[in-house]
Amino acid sequence: AQTVTQSQPEMSVQEAETVTLSCTYDTSESDYYLFWYKQPPSRQMILVIRQEAYKQQNATENRFSVNFQKAAKSFSLKISDSQLGDAAMYFCAYGGETSGSRLTFGEGTQLTVNP
Amino acid sequence: NAGVTQTPKFQVLKTGQSMTLQCAQDMNHEYMSWYRQDPGMGLRLIHYSVGAGITDQGEVPNGYNVSRSTTEDFPLRLLSAAPSQTSVYFCASSFDRGTKNIQYFGAGTRLSVL
Repeated sequence: AQTVTQSQPEMSVQEAETVTLSCTYDTSESDYYLFWYKQPPSRQMILVIRQEAYKQQNATENRFSVNFQKAAKSFSLKISDSQLGDAAMYFCAYGGETSGSRLTFGEGTQLTVNP
Repeated sequence: NAGVTQTPKFQVLKTGQSMTLQCAQDMNHEYMSWYRQDPGMGLRLIHYSVGAGITDQGEVPNGYNVSRSTTEDFPLRLLSAAPSQTSVYFCASSFDRGTKNIQYFGAGTRLSVL
């Protein structure tokens, strides 16, 4: 079975600074996607970014980028120029060739942005 | 543009009571699923459906029932609520079961069982 681990229950960053959230996963599959979801206080789950395992290039969405290290099974999220609106719970998730849309989530990292 | 709609948003039950959490999507998605979110445990899959008439168990199915009579609706039933089912419940849908598909989540239902 696949597992996803987020070892940082809480992180904090100063506004305008950069922060990196860590995620590691374990799988024997070769075809899979990795996702970062944001959950603000409204509770809504919002997709931030996704990465296909076969793509070597790291995904980027505006201020959000990932560092995908396939051999190390690591998938970290970098938030640049942090904004107060980035404060949220962030979840790393895995979807593989056998599980498809049945995502496996990490425990979550609560990000605080200090003004 | 409603997306995935969950009702109710909040619910308090007494132990042993039954209830149904409603989930509806208007995107003609084949795949729908239910997750529960507990502190320090992320989201865990309860049940899922790959199309009308087809359902299957996820990681934590005990105490929950589902059915999928239409493409749009995927209700989650608690037959006899227990305090261990106190949680936040999310419904999600995607185009199909493919890994690459983006999943769309409802706003969640916060359930307390006393």
